[in-house]
Amino acid sequence: EDQVTQSPEALRLQEGESSSLNCSYTVSGLRGLFWYRQDPGKGPEFLFTLYSAGEEKEKERLKATLTKKESFLHITAPKPEDSATYLCAAFQGGYQKVTFGTGTKLQVIP
Amino acid sequence: NAGVTQTPKFRVLKTGQSMTLLCAQDMNHEYMYWYRQDPGMGLRLIHYSVGEGTTAKGEVPDGYNVSRLKKQNFLLGLESAAPSQTSVYFCASSYSRGETQYFGPGTRLLVL
Repeated sequence: EDQVTQSPEALRLQEGESSSLNCSYTVSGLRGLFWYRQDPGKGPEFLFTLYSAGEEKEKERLKATLTKKESFLHITAPKPEDSATYLCAAFQGGYQKVTFGTGTKLQVIP
Repeated sequence: NAGVTQTPKFRVLKTGQSMTLLCAQDMNHEYMYWYRQDPGMGLRLIHYSVGEGTTAKGEVPDGYNVSRLKKQNFLLGLESAAPSQTSVYFCASSYSRGETQYFGPGTRLLVL
């Protein structure tokens, strides 16, 4: 069964305390791995797309990486405004299917 | 450029009532999607469209119908609402199936 699992479910960090969020996937024929940020009461907002193992992308304090089994979202020196739920999603080319994980809720405390 | 918009933002229905959720996008995207998001579950695809006049079932289509009469609009209908349809509904659009999906702000629906 195609699955996308995110861990941890929730993460509480002190401002400036770097950490990583994990997205592991068991889908066949992965063609792309997406990361989104979702603020309370809002729709997901696109962050990154990764297409192949070894690829990395950065945006401000965020860096996403991809291996053949998982993706990581590294957060360096987070600020309170980074508090949100981070979603990942895997796109299977063969079935043209996108499977979302349940998200990691990040709270950054001043 | 408004992106993806949804109306209404919030609605309360009684069991058995019907309603239509409207999604509009101004990015000239071919693909449009309707998802529902429930606590502890990932976004689940209800229906999607690959272009004007087309619709297809997602993973949880039962109890919902959709129409795509114009490229920029995608309507989600509930013919006879049930409490199990209490959820937050998101519309999204993209250039193609594997491209980035852009989401609307969501519609919170409560069915009593």
